[in-house]
Amino acid sequence: DQQVKQNSPSLSVQEGRISILNCDYTNSMFDYFLWYKKYPAEGPTFLISISSIKDKNEDGRFTVFLNKSAKHLSLHIVPSQPGDSAVYFCAARRYSGGGADGLTFGKGTHLIIQP
Amino acid sequence: DAMVIQNPRYQVTQFGKPVTLSCSQTLNHNVMYWYQQKSSQAPKLLFHYYDKDFNNEADTPDNFQSRRPNTSFCFLDIRSPGLGDAAMYLCATGTDSYNEQFFGPGTRLTVL
Repeated sequence: DQQVKQNSPSLSVQEGRISILNCDYTNSMFDYFLWYKKYPAEGPTFLISISSIKDKNEDGRFTVFLNKSAKHLSLHIVPSQPGDSAVYFCAARRYSGGGADGLTFGKGTHLIIQP
Repeated sequence: DAMVIQNPRYQVTQFGKPVTLSCSQTLNHNVMYWYQQKSSQAPKLLFHYYDKDFNNEADTPDNFQSRRPNTSFCFLDIRSPGLGDAAMYLCATGTDSYNEQFFGPGTRLTVL
């Protein structure tokens, strides 16, 4: 049973426009959410994160929004650039109070930025 | 540059032949993780080491084992690989201070 869902396997956006990637989760015990970016033949690299006590976090062109009541988060990229073309993974952490727990990932969304 | 290194990048093994994947880190992080990612699937946590303490996920098959001889190195052993174990294996590191994990480039395992 998938606890983190990214329902769009791919998304195509024109360069300069806004890219919006969505993620839904089912486990209310998740307390921290992260977005990772992955290029082919490379490991995922951390992009941006948000704590469950916040509803927005911004870092340059990237903004993550969290709606706890809907168990939904989204990543906004504006303006989109060709180098943003990659697979984006949504991930969540369930804090158990002992050590640094692993992450639960979604399947990813392949973002394609069209020139 | 501080990093997470995985060797080899590509590994081919035969059905049933034991195989070991290697991960090393220069970040001096006390937590190391192993994830399995099958084609078009989400990365799935297999287990992690918190210092020397091994933490196995409940649904990780017994066929998968891990060793961490020191802070820098962690190994994934697959005792009898089956065709269903063909996947990308990702190693990651972390600490109590950081919420994010740092990933290596992965090892793609092929089982013939």
